[in-house]
Amino acid sequence: SAVISQKPSRDICQRGTSLTIQCQVDSQVTMMFWYRQQPGQSLTLIATANQGSEATYESGFVIDKFPISRPNLTFSTLTVSNMSPEDSSIYLCSVGQGDDEKLFFGSGTQLSVL
Amino acid sequence: GENVEQHPSTLSVQEGDSAVIKCTYSDSASNYFPWYKQELGKRPQLIIDIRSNVGEKKDQRIAVTLNKTAKHFSLHITETQPEDSAVYFCAAGGSYIPTFGRGTSLIVHP
Repeated sequence: SAVISQKPSRDICQRGTSLTIQCQVDSQVTMMFWYRQQPGQSLTLIATANQGSEATYESGFVIDKFPISRPNLTFSTLTVSNMSPEDSSIYLCSVGQGDDEKLFFGSGTQLSVL
Repeated sequence: GENVEQHPSTLSVQEGDSAVIKCTYSDSASNYFPWYKQELGKRPQLIIDIRSNVGEKKDQRIAVTLNKTAKHFSLHITETQPEDSAVYFCAAGGSYIPTFGRGTSLIVHP
């Protein structure tokens, strides 16, 4: 499977600021996604990052709060804007790979908002 | 949309015992059922998956069964070892974008 790297691995941020998380894949992938995992909770899809067009957001997530870029088939960013303590979570990049369309996850970014 | 229920939320077993985690789903159109293992502080890792045209799949000590009529599927781990301790997530849906269950924390006591 592809190697999926995320930066930063963790960060502590102040309320009202923004953080951009980067996801780099070592091979070209068509499908790229961003998930949120709140403490002790399951994995919730934020959006599908579409290469060359606007991301597709799931119910409850909006572009103004979570802008996403996907400039090419190996890279994407997720920005968490105007952060509040409720945004404290693990954010995971994931990619769909292979003819059998399996989903693989990046190393994750642990975000704490004070 | 799809709704996935997972039970139990916590499962404690002795080393060598078997562990079973069960999931139900709501959307009869779902055709892909992966299972992920997440160790503390690490990313979820795909450990086994099954598609709707198969009733059972096995990989060494782990197996997954699927009952499409009843809309439930299960993960079976035999001869559990302490390194099996982790949170396990089931998921259901179409490829690439499954809906995840809430997770089962498996604790294997040596």
